[in-house]
This record gives sequence, C-alpha cells and structure tokens, in this order.
Amino acid sequence: TQLLEQSPQFLSIQEGENLTVYCNSSSVFSSLQWYRQEPGEGPVLLVTVVTGGEVKKLKRLTFQFGDARKDSSLHITAAQPGDTGLYLCAGVMIYNQGGKLIFGQGTELSVKP
Amino acid sequence: GAGVSQSPSNKVTEKGKDVELRCDPISGHTALYWYRQSLGQGLEFLIYFQGNSAPDKSGLPSDRFSAERTGGSVSTLTIQRTQQEDSAVYLCASSRNGQETQYFGPGTRLLVL
Repeated sequence: TQLLEQSPQFLSIQEGENLTVYCNSSSVFSSLQWYRQEPGEGPVLLVTVVTGGEVKKLKRLTFQFGDARKDSSLHITAAQPGDTGLYLCAGVMIYNQGGKLIFGQGTELSVKP
Repeated sequence: GAGVSQSPSNKVTEKGKDVELRCDPISGHTALYWYRQSLGQGLEFLIYFQGNSAPDKSGLPSDRFSAERTGGSVSTLTIQRTQQEDSAVYLCASSRNGQETQYFGPGTRLLVL
C-alpha cells in the first residue's frame, strides 16, 4: 500500500505546455516536500510546504499544500526541455520523530522541444 | 564544501554474496538516512541515525539488511546473502539535525545477478 499516491507516473509533453502533478494521501503530513532527480544523481529539494493551503512559487513552478495537509500539487507553466526529470513528492508524517520521509512513486516528465 | 558521497557508484554481485555500501555524510550533520529506490520507483526509507540515539530500523526489509554508523560520521549498509530483488539504487542522505533539509548522495547502483 502506497501511503503517498503520486500521479501521473509518466508525462510526455511539448515545450510550452502546462502540466500538473498530484500527490494524494489519506494521512495528514506535518510538511510536504518536492524533489527533482536527474539520472545518476540523488534527489534535490525544490520546496517545502508546511501550512495547510500554502502556495509557493519558484519561477514557473507553483506548489500547493492542501488545506487538510493530506495532498499537494506541482504546476509547471510553459514547460521547457530543461524541466525534464523525475519529480518526487515526500511527506513528513505528524508525530514522526527524525524527519523520516515518505515518498510518492515519482513522475517521470519528458518535455520535447 | 563537499556534499554527501557514496561508494561504490556501481556494484555488481552474485546472488548469495554479501555487499557493503558506504556513505560519507556532510561534515557536522548529525542525522543520516538510508533509502532504496527500485527502477522507476520513489524512495523507500530503510534506516535513520541521529547522533548517539538508537537507530530507527523500521524500514529494513529483512534481517539480511543491517547498517552501522561509526563515530557519528561514516555509515555502512550491509546486505547479507544478496537476492535478485535487492537490485536497486541505495541512496544516503544527511541533515544538520533530524528536522532540517536532507541532502542526498548520488547513490550506489546495486545489481544482483
């Protein structure tokens, strides 16, 4: 059973299109993080959202944390080939000591020129 | 400054052999994590070390897996009697304490034939 369901798992789009990736759970998280991973490398943190309803923007990327802190979304506007990569959401559960991360399955994004 | 380093980068072994994977965390980081990433999947938590506290081993999949952290710095993940299903990328991460951003190493790609 996957605690964090991430969708879609694969996404292939043309340069300039918009896209949204979702992470959903029935559990509440104290925070949720989004990572990007390139082939042969470890994940790199993009953003952390902590407050229910919080919206954070990073250039063309918009991250939102659900009001109930059970879900999150990543929206990319006008995608570029440089956005290609594996995007991972990860949550820290309430009452979890130590910051152990629960990861979604990942979204493999391919942006074609 | 140096990031998290892992060795070896790649390891091919035969079924039934033991393997040791090494992680050098960022200097001064007291928290260290091991995760496993199977092909096309998100990361699965394995074990967490924080300072001198007893490690959180709740993610280890079987008693063939063990890890130690010597002197609060370098960590070694040992897999005994490897099986083909152990083939995966093993990622190490460290953070300043158990609550702050985790920085990931590049991983060790393990292939069990």
